[in-house]
Amino acid sequence: DIVMTQSPDSLTVSLGERATINCKSSQNVLYSSNNNNYLAWYQQKPGQPPKLLIYWASTRESGVPDRFSGSGSGTDFTLTISSLQAEDVAVYYCQQYYSSPITFGQGTRLEIK
Amino acid sequence: QVQMVQSGAEVKKPGASVKVSCKVAGYSLSELSMHWVRQAPGKGLEWVGGYDAEAGDTVYAQAFQGRVTIIEDTSADSLYMELRSLRSEDTAVYYCAGNNYYASGSFLIWGQGTLVTVSS
Repeated sequence: DIVMTQSPDSLTVSLGERATINCKSSQNVLYSSNNNNYLAWYQQKPGQPPKLLIYWASTRESGVPDRFSGSGSGTDFTLTISSLQAEDVAVYYCQQYYSSPITFGQGTRLEIK
Repeated sequence: QVQMVQSGAEVKKPGASVKVSCKVAGYSLSELSMHWVRQAPGKGLEWVGGYDAEAGDTVYAQAFQGRVTIIEDTSADSLYMELRSLRSEDTAVYYCAGNNYYASGSFLIWGQGTLVTVSS
């Protein structure tokens, strides 16, 4: 199984500042035949299902604010929120869908300073 | 607008079975790659199983092998998950989740979740 490890576990950032969450996979999730990284990022707020923010490691889902961006390739990935807003308080998860079983990171809790 | 509406909360005794349903509206189930994901109280996300486009079959997480069955009824645009031999550790919110086949394996559309409580 591919193990997904996020860092940090929790993060406190001031409004308007940059937030960075890292995700490392135990195996490569880049499919060489199509050059796609099978890596997604989700945002989950209390009492709600997760919301897809980014797929293919860097493709922003329609309607997601452009302050959210994804980067990385192979085994190391980053979710960046360029200017933190109050509504961004949530838990963030990375997920690999390169191979079964699909696996998630443990989550990163993002709070406002 | 695609929506997934799940069945209501369930309370079961250890050893019993539960069947959770997920009705797709606004889209055809046959055009979606569907999965189940669960979340224990205060914990992270855990994939239960779903359709593997590459394998062309439904696959399950090893932790649930032999205890879970996922069924699609495309005529009713409905997805079902049956989990058997329930134990207290199965207490969780169960979500159906899916996407189109282009991004199969990432989860754009989610149901509202179904809380399954296993308690004697």
